[in-house]
Amino acid sequence: ILNVEQSPQSLHVQEGDSTNFTCSFPSSNFYALHWYRWETAKSPEALFVMTLNGDEKKKGRISATLNTKEGYSYLYIKGSQPEDSATYLCASLFSGTYKYIFGTGTRLKVLA
Amino acid sequence: DAGITQSPRHKVTETGTPVTLRCHQTENHRYMYWYRQDPGHGLRLIHYSYGVKDTDKGEVSDGYSVSRSKTEDFLLTLESATSSQTSVYFCASAPGSGEKLFFGSGTQLSVL
Repeated sequence: ILNVEQSPQSLHVQEGDSTNFTCSFPSSNFYALHWYRWETAKSPEALFVMTLNGDEKKKGRISATLNTKEGYSYLYIKGSQPEDSATYLCASLFSGTYKYIFGTGTRLKVLA
Repeated sequence: DAGITQSPRHKVTETGTPVTLRCHQTENHRYMYWYRQDPGHGLRLIHYSYGVKDTDKGEVSDGYSVSRSKTEDFLLTLESATSSQTSVYFCASAPGSGEKLFFGSGTQLSVL
C-alpha cells in the first residue's frame, strides 16, 4: 500500500509568522513529489513538482525541499498572509505506476 | 490554465440508479484521473487512464468503472449508486508522466 502522510492536519498562525508542513512518503520506487494549494470552493493548483533528492523550489514566499532517501518533503511559508489560508496537499508518484497518491492535506488558517 | 471541464456540476440521484460523470479536456493531455474527496480522507484515486482505452484501478475503485474512447473524454460510471458514493468527484489531467495535474471544478454527487 502506497501511503502518503501529511502533518499537521491543521494549523492556525498569526499574520507574519513563518510556518512549515511535512509530507512523508515511501522512499522506495520514488519518482516525483508534488505540492498543491487548494483554496475553499476552488480546485487544487500545483505549486511545485520535485524529482531529485535535495531539490529546493521557491515561489515568492513559499518554498519546498525534498529528501527522497528518507522519504519526506517540507513546505515553508515565510511571513504568512491571510491569503495563504488554504489546504496544502502533497502527492507522490512512484516508478512503474502512473498513480498520483495524495496525502490528506494540511489546512492552514492565517489570522489577521 | 488547462481547459478541463466536468459535467454535471451537481447531481442528486437515488440508490440503485446508474450515474455517469464526464470529464472533458482540450489540452491533448495523455493522462487523466478521477478522484473523490471526502472529509478526513483528502483526495483518493478511483481510476486513471494513461492513454485512449488504457485504464487502471486506483485505491477506491470498487463500484466504479471508467471509459476513455478518445483523448479528450474520461467517463466515470457508478453502475448502481450507493449512499457511500455521496462525495465530491474531481477529474484531473496531466500532459506527461510525473507532470503537474490540472483539475476540473468538481462534481458534487448526492445519492439518497
